[in-house]
Amino acid sequence: QSALTQPSSASGSPGQSVTISCTGTSSDIGGYDFVSWYKQLPGKAPKLMIYEVTKRPSGVPDRFSGSKSGNTASLTVSGLQAEDEADYYCTSYVGSDKVLFGGGTKLTVL
Amino acid sequence: EVQLLESGGGLVQPGGSLRLSCAASGFTFSSYAMSWVRQAPGQGLEWVSSIFGGGRYTYYADSVKGRLTISRDNSKSTLFLQMNTLRAEDTAIYYCAKGAGENQLRPNYNSWGQGTLVTVSS
Repeated sequence: QSALTQPSSASGSPGQSVTISCTGTSSDIGGYDFVSWYKQLPGKAPKLMIYEVTKRPSGVPDRFSGSKSGNTASLTVSGLQAEDEADYYCTSYVGSDKVLFGGGTKLTVL
Repeated sequence: EVQLLESGGGLVQPGGSLRLSCAASGFTFSSYAMSWVRQAPGQGLEWVSSIFGGGRYTYYADSVKGRLTISRDNSKSTLFLQMNTLRAEDTAIYYCAKGAGENQLRPNYNSWGQGTLVTVSS
């Protein structure tokens, strides 16, 4: 099974909003509400930002939000800040006892 | 505070074996599923394997099934990954990650180790 599809890059200016998409199929993202999003800084372990499509772990700013429509999940970062610059990965339970990650999106704050 | 500390990485020849460990602390280890996620140099994240809290149920990515074996010792709060018949494409940083509950494959990994590097090369 191929990785979930993410744009390789995204960008925005400080204060703006940016949305990163994660596209799958009706058998994975479309079939389950188990999409998570991770932020990874260079040389560091990933950090959970959103889980089960829309839920935010404690400590994650409410500038980060998740949603899903059909076979596409999205991560929106509002009020962009310089510290938001990182790689972002989506992941989902995809059935048949498997988990898939997206290819990752490099977010640049201009 | 949850802590996960991986060890056991290193340089191994193609076809060789390696055993990774992940020592956990700060939570009731047996109450949580645990997973291994890897990242090849300059590449994205890849789910490798998960194991439920009791240790009986294990799950693998197709790319590693039959060669990598996940296990756990709940008495020692330690997760393992036995890696056999290693290939160059297994070269990656291997992270252990704590799951959301005892018997769940949901990828809600709220705690990660720092990772251990495995290099498969002759």
